[in-house]
This record gives sequence, C-alpha cells and structure tokens, in this order.
Amino acid sequence: QVQLVQPGTEVKEPGASVKLSCKASGYSFTKFFIHWVRQAPGQGLEWMGIINPTSGGAYPAPQFQGRVTMNRDTSTSTVFMELSSLRSDDAAVYYCAREHSDGWPTFDFWGQGTVVTVSS
Amino acid sequence: SSELTQDPGVSVALGQTVTITCQGDRLRRDYASWYQQKPGQAPLLVFFGKNNRPSGIPDRFSGSASGNTASLTITGAQAEDEADYYCNSRDNRGDHVVFGGGTRLTVL
Repeated sequence: QVQLVQPGTEVKEPGASVKLSCKASGYSFTKFFIHWVRQAPGQGLEWMGIINPTSGGAYPAPQFQGRVTMNRDTSTSTVFMELSSLRSDDAAVYYCAREHSDGWPTFDFWGQGTVVTVSS
Repeated sequence: SSELTQDPGVSVALGQTVTITCQGDRLRRDYASWYQQKPGQAPLLVFFGKNNRPSGIPDRFSGSASGNTASLTITGAQAEDEADYYCNSRDNRGDHVVFGGGTRLTVL
C-alpha cells in the first residue's frame, strides 16, 4: 500500500533551518510528483511547493522562494524539504502529499505530518 | 486572502443533506479537489475532478461545479462526517496551488 512516512517532530530555534524528510513506499517513486503543504495551529492548509522525483526539479511557492529547498534521494525513495531562517510563524505541521496521476492539484496520499516547533 | 473562498462553518442534522461550496475565478476553468480533515489527522482526498471519488470514500460524497463555484455534497450526513473540509485548485495564473480557507462541518 502507498505510504508516505514523515518523522513526528522537530524543534528548532528562530533563525535556524529545518530539513524535513518524506519516505515513499508502495509505488514507483519516480512516477508521481510530491508536494509539500503546511498547516499552522488552528489554521488552514498552505501549499509550499512541488518536486519532480525523476528530475529533481523543484518549484517553491512564491512566498517561500529563497527560503525553501527541495531535493530527493531516489536510492531511498525519499524527498526532502529544507526551510531556512525560521520564524515563530513557521511553527506548523508540515505534510508531504503525492500528486494524483490525473495531475495537480489533486493529492491522493498524504504523510502524517511533521510538527515543527520554533522556539528559543 | 485566498483565491478560493469557503464558508467558515456549516451545520447539518444527522441524516440530512449538506452542500459545502468553494468559489473562485479559476473554477470557471478547472475543477476543484476536496479534502476532509479530522482533528489530529492528515487531510483525506474525498472527491476530485468532474466526477471522481477515491476508492473507499462512501458514495454519499459527491461533487459538482457551476460557473465559479465548486460544491461538495454529503447526502445523508453521518456523525463521522464531522470534520474540516478544504477545496483546492490552481491559482488564477494557473501555475500554483491554492487552498480554500476550509469549512468546519458540524453534524447535529
């Protein structure tokens, strides 16, 4: 079965960077794009960007350009998203989601999310 | 502000029908996808495209579109349908993904 596995929590200080992972299994890793979506406490969903696991090409959302880097490791079927210069308002649950074969923006499988806490 | 607009909250009596809407200019050209999110859980895709329901989603969930509005209808709402519902689509330029602000469904 399709699974996207994410670590549970990360705690970082303001100004630091966090690198999140998303390990895929149960399907052909290079055949489906992966998106990142975050959700601040009590808030809605915010799209952060997309990565093509085949080419490694990545496209952050405009509000994250310059702060977000996405890459992948095909040997372990894992994608990564690094967010730099963390601020208190970056505290959120960060999800990876697989793009449906019909194309985006339909996300058919989601990871359980990583809770990122930003605190000094 | 989001390019997709949803009502913040909607309620429905148990067993009745409820429609959750999502408005945006892009929806005149593209279909929306719909996600259900329960507390502490990741979103779950419940409907997408013109008429697509993922495997395992009850057939009481259906979708439709008209003009700039996409709708998710739950026919015979159950207690377990109480959740937040989000729509998403492309932004008006077509090159980014946007989500609606979400609708909290209360089943009375």
